[in-house]
Amino acid sequence: DVKVTQSSRYLVKRTGEKVFLECVQDMDHENMFWYRQDPGLGLRLIYFSYDVKMKEKGDIPEGYSVSREKKERFSLILESASTNQTSMYLCASRFGGANTEAFFGQGTRLTVV
Amino acid sequence: GENVEQHPSTLSVQEGDSAVIKCTYSDSASNYFPWYKQELGKRPQLIIDIRSNVGEKKDQRIAVTLNKTAKHFSLHITETQPEDSAVYFCAASKEGNTPLVFGKGTRLSVIA
Repeated sequence: DVKVTQSSRYLVKRTGEKVFLECVQDMDHENMFWYRQDPGLGLRLIYFSYDVKMKEKGDIPEGYSVSREKKERFSLILESASTNQTSMYLCASRFGGANTEAFFGQGTRLTVV
Repeated sequence: GENVEQHPSTLSVQEGDSAVIKCTYSDSASNYFPWYKQELGKRPQLIIDIRSNVGEKKDQRIAVTLNKTAKHFSLHITETQPEDSAVYFCAASKEGNTPLVFGKGTRLSVIA
C-alpha cells in the first residue's frame, strides 16, 4: 500500500521558533512537494523537489526552506515561525518525468502562537 | 506559470441530483488533469484523471470531460449520495518534473 507519512498530525509552536515538518514516502518517488492548505485558497505550492538535493520554489516560498538529503524524505523548515504561518501543511509525492497521480500525506495542522 | 480556476466554490445539491464542477487552465502545454476528493479531516485522494489525448472518461457515477481548445475540464457526479459530500480539487500539470497546480476547491454538500 502506498504511503506518504508526515511526522506530526498537530503541532503548536511559538512565534520565532524554528520548525521542522518531516515527510517520508515509501514509493521510490522522485518528486516530492509541500503544499499549504487554507480555507478558500486551495492548495498552494511552497516548494518541490525532483531529486535528492534539488529544490524549486513554488508560489509561496517566503519564510520557508526545504531539505532533501535522501530520496524518501523531504523536510519543510520554517526558519522563524510567525502567526501567519498557522495552517494545514500537506506533503505529496509522485514519480518524476511521467505525468501521474500524486499521493498525499495526512497533513500537519500547525498553530503558531 | 500555470493558473487553474475552479467554480463554483460551494455547491449544494439534493440527494440523487447531479453535480458539475468546472475548471479552466492557462498553460496549453498541460496534459494531465486529475480530480481529488478531500473528506473532512482526511488527505486528498485521487478519484479520476484524464489526459489530453481523450475527451471524456467515466468511472461509475463520476465522469470528467476535457475541452483542450477552450482549456477547460469538468467533473460530473450523477445520482449524488451523502457520502459524496467533500471538497473537490481539480489540478493540471505537464510533462517533466513539474508540480500539480490546483484549483481553489469546491465544497460539495449533498442534502438527504
